[in-house]
Amino acid sequence: KQEVTQIPAALSVPEGENLVLNCSFTDSAIYNLQWFRQDPGKGLTSLLLIQSSQREQTSGRLNASLDKSSGRSTLYIAASQPGDSATYLCALPSGQAGTALIFGKGTTLSVSS
Amino acid sequence: GAVVSQHPSWVICKSGTSVKIECRSLDFQATTMFWYRQFPKQSLMLMATSNEGSKATYEQGVEKDKFLINHASLTLSTLTVTSAHPEDSSFYICSARDPGVYGYTFGSGTRLTVV
Repeated sequence: KQEVTQIPAALSVPEGENLVLNCSFTDSAIYNLQWFRQDPGKGLTSLLLIQSSQREQTSGRLNASLDKSSGRSTLYIAASQPGDSATYLCALPSGQAGTALIFGKGTTLSVSS
Repeated sequence: GAVVSQHPSWVICKSGTSVKIECRSLDFQATTMFWYRQFPKQSLMLMATSNEGSKATYEQGVEKDKFLINHASLTLSTLTVTSAHPEDSSFYICSARDPGVYGYTFGSGTRLTVV
């Protein structure tokens, strides 16, 4: 059964720092991997989706990489801002495309000004 | 992009009553929707998979008689928490995948408090 782990569980940084959030998974036979952001008491906002055939995806200050063979993905946030403070979740389909997502426990990021 | 609307965003109910939560796909048809539950400081846990026109598939440990799911159309799935108790208080969130898009879209969630 696929398991998803995110490290660190929490992270506090000053504004302007570059940071890396880590996600690991046990079964490398994945269809894709998706990074989400969740603000307190809110739903999930999709940040980046990486297909299994891709190595990375970029959106603005965010860059997500995928290494299937090692079962790892990283989310890189450049020049962090207080508005980036949120919980970041990594998720993968439990099976083939269209199946439910399995989530990591998330990394809670706090960026201070 | 694909949008999923979830209502209500929060609800407070008395113990023993039932609460219905709606999840709608606004600009696409979703034959399958997913219902998740999230406890404070925990990640999302899948409760059930809602299939249009057929019975929902529940995860192990989820009481199907307590959490009734109806997916009567291609754009609407509902979750009814029956005879709610304080331990059912949680954050419930639905999700769907637009067939034209690879990723999943989530509703804004419903905070249920049972008093």
